[in-house]
Amino acid sequence: DAGVIQSPRHEVTEMGQEVTLRCKPISGHDYLFWYRQTMMRGLELLIYFNNNVPIDDSGMPEDRFSAKMPNASFSTLKIQPSEPRDSAVYFCASSPVGRGNQETQYFGPGTRLLVL
Amino acid sequence: DAKTTQPPSMDCAEGRAANLPCNHSTISGNEYVYWYRQIHSQGPQYIIHGLKNNETNEMASLIITEDRKSSTLILPHATLRDTAVYYCIVRPLMYLIFGKGTKLSVKP
Repeated sequence: DAGVIQSPRHEVTEMGQEVTLRCKPISGHDYLFWYRQTMMRGLELLIYFNNNVPIDDSGMPEDRFSAKMPNASFSTLKIQPSEPRDSAVYFCASSPVGRGNQETQYFGPGTRLLVL
Repeated sequence: DAKTTQPPSMDCAEGRAANLPCNHSTISGNEYVYWYRQIHSQGPQYIIHGLKNNETNEMASLIITEDRKSSTLILPHATLRDTAVYYCIVRPLMYLIFGKGTKLSVKP
């Protein structure tokens, strides 16, 4: 299995531009998670999906952030317009439905975003 | 907020066992203890998890005290590649709540 795939791996953009981060979960996994990591706040959950439906988006910072999961094999996290404080590493993770909080989450390599 | 307390950093000599402690005094009965590690800004990597029994896999052992208020992750023979930030997570929900973790430095 290829694991969780994220693209791009690095993104440099200018303030005000739209940024789209992509994630392909592990095949057969029903849960998909987006996390963000910064020096100040560490690793924190942004949103997660179950069977393509958003379950908890309370971690999404503001309306500039949106996430979609149009099908079981693809999700996007969009920032519009981007700001310098959005600079961070964004991780996608997936897990099978199995036994709820007993199931392991598998993380992708992350997208390192820099907003100038 | 994270429900765990870990030392910010630890050192370990290569080839020796690394014992990483974690306090989770407010853990509830159905909450699992998970350990992940993150090597130099790569994606977090799952290590091991447990509820109340000790667990062992090819990477590590997890020792959970009888009252479940603390646990220890043991890397039996640490190598330089085990240098990473180790996160102890008490997990009641589907998602993970990360604290600051312990930065383990394995030295030759």
